[in-house]
Amino acid sequence: DTEVTQTPKHLVMGMTNKKSLKCEQHMGHRAMYWYKQKAKKPPELMFVYSYEKLSINESVPSRFSPECPNSSLLNLHLHALQPEDSALYLCASSHLIQGTTAKNIQYFGAGTRLSVL
Amino acid sequence: GQNIDQPTEMTATEGAIVQINCTYQTSGFNGLFWYQQHAGEAPTFLSYNVLDGLEEKGRFSSFLSRSKGYSYLLLKELQMKDSASYLCAVFNEDTGGFKTIFGAGTRLFVKA
Repeated sequence: DTEVTQTPKHLVMGMTNKKSLKCEQHMGHRAMYWYKQKAKKPPELMFVYSYEKLSINESVPSRFSPECPNSSLLNLHLHALQPEDSALYLCASSHLIQGTTAKNIQYFGAGTRLSVL
Repeated sequence: GQNIDQPTEMTATEGAIVQINCTYQTSGFNGLFWYQQHAGEAPTFLSYNVLDGLEEKGRFSSFLSRSKGYSYLLLKELQMKDSASYLCAVFNEDTGGFKTIFGAGTRLFVKA
C-alpha cells in the first residue's frame, strides 16, 4: 500500500474563512511534507515534518499553519488567505533514512485544489 | 545555490523513444527522482537513482552521472498515455531535515 489520502479534494474559501486540509498515510513513514503547486509549475516545498516535529519551514506566511498530531496525520490550517494562494496543495510522505537509499521515495496524495475568493 | 534544468517541452511520436535530460547544481545530493505528473493529478514516482549508471524499469530507464550533475529519463515504445509532465527532483539532507527540490518539469506530447 503506497497510498496517501488527502481531504477535501476541492475547497473554495473566502479571505476571512478558516479551513483545514488533511493528509493521512499508513505506510509507517516518519517524514511528511506539504507542497504548493501552481498551474504548469513544479511543486514548491512548504513544510517538512520529521518524527512529528517541524524540521523545515520554507519561509511560508503565517496564514498557513501546519500540524502533525501523530505519525500518520498531517494537517494544514488556513486562515485569512489571499487569492494568490489558490493552488493545488500536495501532501507527501517518505521513510527517513540517513544517507543514500531508495527507501526515501516520496509518495504523493492526489492533492486539494484550493480556490480563494 | 540550487538549480535544476530540464527542457520545457518535447514532442515525440507514438512507438518511438524519447530521452528527457536533467542537469543539476545543488548544495547536497542524496539521490535523484523522476516523477510523472498528468495535468491536475499528483506526481507519480517513476525512478530513483542513487549511484552512477542506468536503472531500468520496464519501458522506463533512468541514468545518473553524479560527477557531471546529469541525469536522463528514457521512455521506450511511447504510448499516448505517456503525454504528461516529467519532473526531475534532487533529494538531499539539509539543515533540519530532508528536502526534495524539483525542476520545472518537461511537458511531453506524444502524437499519433
